[in-house]
Amino acid sequence: DGGITQSPKYLFRKEGQNVTLSCEQNLNHDAMYWYRQDPGQGLRLIYYSQIVNDFQKGDIAEGYSVSREKKESFPLTVTSAQKNPTAFYLCASRITGVSYGYTFGSGTRLTVV
Amino acid sequence: DQQVKQNSPSLSVQEGRISILNCDYTNSMFDYFLWYKKYPAEGPTFLISISSIKDKNEDGRFTVFLNKSAKHLSLHIVPSQPGDSAVYFCAASHSGAGSYQLTFGKGTKLSVIP
Repeated sequence: DGGITQSPKYLFRKEGQNVTLSCEQNLNHDAMYWYRQDPGQGLRLIYYSQIVNDFQKGDIAEGYSVSREKKESFPLTVTSAQKNPTAFYLCASRITGVSYGYTFGSGTRLTVV
Repeated sequence: DQQVKQNSPSLSVQEGRISILNCDYTNSMFDYFLWYKKYPAEGPTFLISISSIKDKNEDGRFTVFLNKSAKHLSLHIVPSQPGDSAVYFCAASHSGAGSYQLTFGKGTKLSVIP
């Protein structure tokens, strides 16, 4: 069954530490996206990648980094430079040129302790 | 500046009645609109979409209406069911951007009361 897998579902991090959130898809989608959701807020775009080895900053990229070495994988690193990292992180993918509809993963809840 | 606005954070509706969720946008370049449904601690799931060349799209109990002149769209759910209780996000995109990025509203939490 095709889909997007985000792991782990819950993640705790100490202040000052970097942490990497995993996102894997087996949908053969070209484009992948990372969004952040805060309570009472919409989804805000962090980074996106339309093709392997290429990615672009979204609206709130500061304090985050990504890589896209494989089509199936788009990991997000939350660095210590991110001032308020506690949030719900969503990964999504989309097949290029077919539709605007995204397929989302089930998310990772990151809490800084 | 918020380009997609959902001004009602929450909505309560009786089971069997109509639910109407509203969304306004400011960017006249947007030409494709989507609604997503989201349960707590889960990713959003696609519900229905509409292109700017249409003013209505229907899928079962769900209908989306688009009023381009008012830059307004709405999602109608008829009849509403308890399983419809979730947060609904309105999203918009414009084909000229190339990246097909979606801009989301803040969401409306729908509660359908049995």
